[in-house]
Amino acid sequence: GIQVEQSPPDLILQEGANSTLRCNFSDSVNNLQWFHQNPWGQLINLFYIPSGTKQNGRLSATTVATERYSLLYISSSQTTDSGVYFCAVGLVQLTFGSGTQLTVLP
Amino acid sequence: EAQVTQNPRYLITVTGKKLTVTCSQNMNHEYMSWYRQDPGLGLRQIYYSMNVEVTDKGDVPEGYKVSRKEKRNFPLILESPSPNQTSLYFCATVTGGTEAFFGQGTRLTVV
Repeated sequence: GIQVEQSPPDLILQEGANSTLRCNFSDSVNNLQWFHQNPWGQLINLFYIPSGTKQNGRLSATTVATERYSLLYISSSQTTDSGVYFCAVGLVQLTFGSGTQLTVLP
Repeated sequence: EAQVTQNPRYLITVTGKKLTVTCSQNMNHEYMSWYRQDPGLGLRQIYYSMNVEVTDKGDVPEGYKVSRKEKRNFPLILESPSPNQTSLYFCATVTGGTEAFFGQGTRLTVV
């Protein structure tokens, strides 16, 4: 099956810093999503982005499908951005990456 | 508002006592699925359903049952829970063949 790898596994930032999270996948995909798992365990949809670029406030994402990777950008990070960020590919059967644990320090 | 509702949110039970985790969606989506999340193992799919009365095994179906008698509900059944089924469970639904949305999660502890 398809392999999904995320980097870095852990990231610690000072509030206000910017960051880039990466998601590589081993085969072509028609669906790719980014999620944020908050400290309470809830999975929050960030982006559905099989290709191209999208922005939502301080967050943006870019997927280059032909090169099999996606990037999530977080600008001016806040403590509420802390948590685990997952990318996932597929549709009914999602394959998740192992996540990036982000900690934003005040 | 689009919603995927799981119940209960938290459950502690004993080995062998049958339990059901309910999942309901108000979006009329055909696709629904169950995942479990474990430290070091990530999120893995248990079962999925493409439509009413159509279900299939995911990656880790052993010890679980599901049913899809109506489009909005997709319960997860543990006939005889064991401690290795202690986990965080998520129900998900897929909208318009594109984006998946998850319920709030159910933290299950089997002692």
